[in-house]
Amino acid sequence: SYVLTQPPSVSVAPGQTARITCGGNNIGSKSVHWYQQKPGQAPVLVVYDDSDRPSGIPERFSGSNSGNTATLTISRVEAGDEADYYCQVWDSSSDHPGVVFGGGTKLTVL
Amino acid sequence: QITLKESGPTLVKPTQTLTLTCTFSGFSLSTSGVGVGWIRQPPGKALEWLALIYWNDDKRYSPSLKSRLTITKDTSKNQVVLTMTNMDPVDTATYYCAHSGPAAVPPMFDYWGQGTLVTVSS
Repeated sequence: SYVLTQPPSVSVAPGQTARITCGGNNIGSKSVHWYQQKPGQAPVLVVYDDSDRPSGIPERFSGSNSGNTATLTISRVEAGDEADYYCQVWDSSSDHPGVVFGGGTKLTVL
Repeated sequence: QITLKESGPTLVKPTQTLTLTCTFSGFSLSTSGVGVGWIRQPPGKALEWLALIYWNDDKRYSPSLKSRLTITKDTSKNQVVLTMTNMDPVDTATYYCAHSGPAAVPPMFDYWGQGTLVTVSS
């Protein structure tokens, strides 16, 4: 089955740029979605189809995807961005296509 | 607006079958391209996808849990039901249902329920 690998944690100072990676075999050929989850809350979609933003998501959130790595970039990080972030793809390569989530990355704002 | 809400038991015993219901509003599961998925999250751990059902009754399951899961829909009631057999303490988790819209190819979950915590214990 397809595996998505995320760093367990990323730390960044307020106002700086956070980059959260999501690694997978030839992930550049897939559409990647990103979710933000704050403690005690349901996940929220922040980036879809590699780099598009749902309405209401700040422009500070952006995404890219190439080769074996997709990246969620959060510019001008704020304290309120502290959360867990998950990447997600659709694995169509196996006999049983399905949704795959990464292991999640905890973003800490210093 | 689109809303989803999970309901079901908060406590089940090992070996029992769990039945969870997702009741939604703001969309129809008879609209082409629409899907509803189930995702769970053990305490302190990552999201894990379980199952997905589409408007045309196409169903997809997590390969690792496929033998234990059944997902069905009742379009007239705006509900999706997930059953999981042979529950074990490792299945203790918050269970979410989520909407995947008609433009979401491949699927993405743009609206989520609040989640329901299910504890498996004797």
